Amino acid sequence: GQQVMQIPQYQHVQEGEDFTTYCNSSTTLSNIQWYKQRPGGHPVFLIQLVKSGEVKKQKRLTFQFGEAKKNSSLHITATQTTDVGTYFCAGIPQGGSEKLVFGKGTKLTVNP
Amino acid sequence: ETGVTQTPRHLVMGMTNKKSLKCEQHLGHNAMYWYKQSAKKPLELMFVYNFKEQTENNSVPSRFSPECPNSSHLFLHLHTLQPEDSALYLCASRTDPSYNEQFFGPGTRLTVL
Repeated sequence: GQQVMQIPQYQHVQEGEDFTTYCNSSTTLSNIQWYKQRPGGHPVFLIQLVKSGEVKKQKRLTFQFGEAKKNSSLHITATQTTDVGTYFCAGIPQGGSEKLVFGKGTKLTVNP
Repeated sequence: ETGVTQTPRHLVMGMTNKKSLKCEQHLGHNAMYWYKQSAKKPLELMFVYNFKEQTENNSVPSRFSPECPNSSHLFLHLHTLQPEDSALYLCASRTDPSYNEQFFGPGTRLTVL
């Protein structure tokens, strides 16, 4: 079946360090979305990437969509304690049933 | 608040009980979803409703029965569940087209004893 793999599963950083999570799909994606889930909370939409090679920035967060539209990354510069949570990527496979396929997520903890 | 509400927020039930989870969205969206979130697993899509019609049933056991009376309300009826069904059940909604962002509710934390 269609899978979206996400690594690492866990990441512990010191406040101020950078953080990156990677997402890889077994099939080409129409688009990719990123969500953040705070501890005890629910997933909240961050951004969507649609075009091959697309790069988008939100303050300290940089999102990339690969040229082949099979991989994506989220990079956080100079992490803060408010960045704590689990970051999920989710993609819609091309030619598929139009349902979002979620990665397992990367759980980020930030030590102050 | 995302405009998607879920009740109850917490539920403990025995394996022989029958209960229902409720989701309501005030966003005017036409598609609604049920997801299951277990520890160490990806979000698992269970059901999709589009304009009240079920468009996806992701091989979910029949002990889970969805109901969508209108485009603002979604229910998940539960009966004879197993302990492994304990999880966070999330409802989400979106507007067309299908690649639009999904808005999640706060979830129902279900424990099956």
